[in-house]
Amino acid sequence: GAVVSQHPSRVICKSGTSVKIECRSLDFQATTMFWYRQFPKQSLMLMATSNEGSKATYEQGVEKDKFLINHASLTLSTLTVTSAHPEDSSFYICSARGSSGNTIYFGEGSWLTVV
Amino acid sequence: SQELEQSPQSLIVQEGKNLTINCTSSKTLYGLYWYKQKYGEGLIFLMMLQKGGEEKSHEKITAKLDEKKQQSSLHITASQPSHAGIYLCGADGSGNTGKLIFGQGTTLQVKP
Repeated sequence: GAVVSQHPSRVICKSGTSVKIECRSLDFQATTMFWYRQFPKQSLMLMATSNEGSKATYEQGVEKDKFLINHASLTLSTLTVTSAHPEDSSFYICSARGSSGNTIYFGEGSWLTVV
Repeated sequence: SQELEQSPQSLIVQEGKNLTINCTSSKTLYGLYWYKQKYGEGLIFLMMLQKGGEEKSHEKITAKLDEKKQQSSLHITASQPSHAGIYLCGADGSGNTGKLIFGQGTTLQVKP
């Protein structure tokens, strides 16, 4: 079946630096991917829609200049957290719709810790 | 905007017992997804329901969508420790966009 993979699974970075998280669809093409953030013991919050070949669409309250999204190919979307701060520490997870259109698959998620 | 409410928020059952988790939407559901998550890990797709009255099963898990398409239930028969985790319902609020709005989740513990 369709698989969505994220990398890295865990990353620690220093305050003020930038960190990139990759989301790949392994056996299908995804023109649209989605990025979510999950705070401890809470549900997933949609951050943005990543569109292949065009600008991402951000949800209200999400800073587009802080969370840069690039969807350069049909199998890869990247989320870059710029000038990271400790409050950006969280679990980030991406999703993509499978080729059948009826299933939305999620990646394994990426833990970001900003120190 | 659409909101999903899950109940109960947490559940502890003895192994072998049946259980039901409910997901109620503030608006009509165009697509309702059920996922299982271990804390800090990815979401495992369980089932997707679209049509009013639809019911799907996978192993010992059955999910239903009511006729009015505003409520779904997830039923686990003869629960096992492997069923433990966080169950999340997600709705494609705008109709087949792929953007999911999630309920707050139900944490299930199964005591051996």
